Amino acid sequence: QVQLVESGGGLVQPGRSLTLSCAASGFTFKNYAIHWVRQAPGKGLEWVAVISYDGAFKIYADSVRGRFTVSRDNSNTTAFLHMDSLRTEDTAFFYCAKALQSYGSGSSPFDYWGQGTLVSVSS
Amino acid sequence: EIVLTQSPATLSLSPGERATLSCRASQSVNTYLAWYQQIPGQAPRLLIYDASKRATGIPARFSGSGSGTDFTLTISSLEPEDFAVYYCQQRTNWPLTFGGGTKVAIK
Repeated sequence: QVQLVESGGGLVQPGRSLTLSCAASGFTFKNYAIHWVRQAPGKGLEWVAVISYDGAFKIYADSVRGRFTVSRDNSNTTAFLHMDSLRTEDTAFFYCAKALQSYGSGSSPFDYWGQGTLVSVSS
Repeated sequence: EIVLTQSPATLSLSPGERATLSCRASQSVNTYLAWYQQIPGQAPRLLIYDASKRATGIPARFSGSGSGTDFTLTISSLEPEDFAVYYCQQRTNWPLTFGGGTKVAIK
């Protein structure tokens, strides 16, 4: 069965960095784009970034462009979200999600989601 | 950026009733619209994609319709497990965007 497991969240001070991991299993990881979506406590969903199946294509939301970087290791079926210059407004649950359709740029609905990892940015 | 506006914000209904949720886009998204369900404390779950296609394992009581800028998610007869928050999402343009959500609450 498809599984996505996020890790790496925690409490961090403003201006510091953090890297989240998304360990995938149960599908051919190298064939699917991976998205990151966040949700501030009690708020709605915000798309953050996507990395294409081969890592060649990356797109970011305006709110994180220049601060966040997505990457992936297809050999170890893991995706990463590296976050620099964290702000208090970045506090949220961060989910990784699998694209429904294989290959392409990743402009696809998300058919599987991880359970999320909480990032709290506070001094 | 394409803005998705969902209405109503909250829908109070009883089990067995029909739920009709709306999502309006600020510009045409063709049929590239999806619906997700989120139960508190859980990750979202894909219900409908490309406006009207049910995702794997989704019961037939969930249906989607619409194209262009106006879309509807219908739950024909609410089951207890359907009381949750529902989000629409477009994939026509980057950045991908979500609507603000509709909470379906027990009346």
